[in-house]
Amino acid sequence: AQKVTQAQTEISVVEKEDVTLDCVYETRDTTYYLFWYKQPPSGELVFLIRRNSFDEQNEISGRYSWNFQKSTSSFNFTITASQVVDSAVYFCALSEGPGGGADGLTFGKGTHLIIQP
Amino acid sequence: NAGVTQTPKFRILKIGQSMTLQCTQDMNHNYMYWYRQDPGMGLKLIYYSVGAGITDKGEVPNGYNVSRSTTEDFPLRLELAAPSQTSVYFCASTHRNTEAFFGQGTRLTVV
Repeated sequence: AQKVTQAQTEISVVEKEDVTLDCVYETRDTTYYLFWYKQPPSGELVFLIRRNSFDEQNEISGRYSWNFQKSTSSFNFTITASQVVDSAVYFCALSEGPGGGADGLTFGKGTHLIIQP
Repeated sequence: NAGVTQTPKFRILKIGQSMTLQCTQDMNHNYMYWYRQDPGMGLKLIYYSVGAGITDKGEVPNGYNVSRSTTEDFPLRLELAAPSQTSVYFCASTHRNTEAFFGQGTRLTVV
C-alpha cells in the first residue's frame, strides 16, 4: 500500500525566512509519481509540481525548489524568502500514474504554513 | 476552458436526506475521481472511474454511490446523509500524462 507522511502539521515563520516542508513516502511500485499541491485559504487545490521516480533532478521554480531523494524516500519542498501569500496548506501526494492512474492520488495530511509579516 | 466544474459549492443537509454532487469536465479526460477532505486530513479517495461505464471503489466508499454514463460527467450520490459525511468534496480528472485537475470543491454539512 502507498503512504505519504508529512510530519510537520504546522509551521510558522516570519516573512523572508526560508522554510522546508518535509515529505516521506512509501510505495512498492518501481514507477511512481510525486506531487505537491497548495491549498490557499480560499480552498482550491493548486498544482505545483510533479516528479516521476526516474527523475531525481532537483527542480527550481522562482522561490520554490524541490529535493527528490529516492535513497531516503523523500520529496521535500523549500520556499526561499517566504512571503505572506505563501500561507496555505501544502499537500504532498503519490500515485502510480502521471495524474493519479487507476487508484488516484495518495495524499499526506498536509502542512499548514503560516507566514507572519 | 472550464476544466472541472462542481456543483453546488455549499450545501446543508439534514440527517437521512439524499443529494447528488455534480461533477463535469470538458477536457475529454478518461479518469475521474471523487475525494473527500476532512479537517486536518489529506484527501481520501471515495470512488474513481477509468472511463464511461466503469467505476470502482476507493479507500472510503461507504455511504456513497457513483455513475459514469458519459465521459464528461461523474456524479456522486449520498443516499442517507449522516453527520460523518460532513466534509469538503473534490472531483478531479486526468488523462494519460496530464496531472490531475481538481474542481473548486463542495462543502457539505450534515446536521
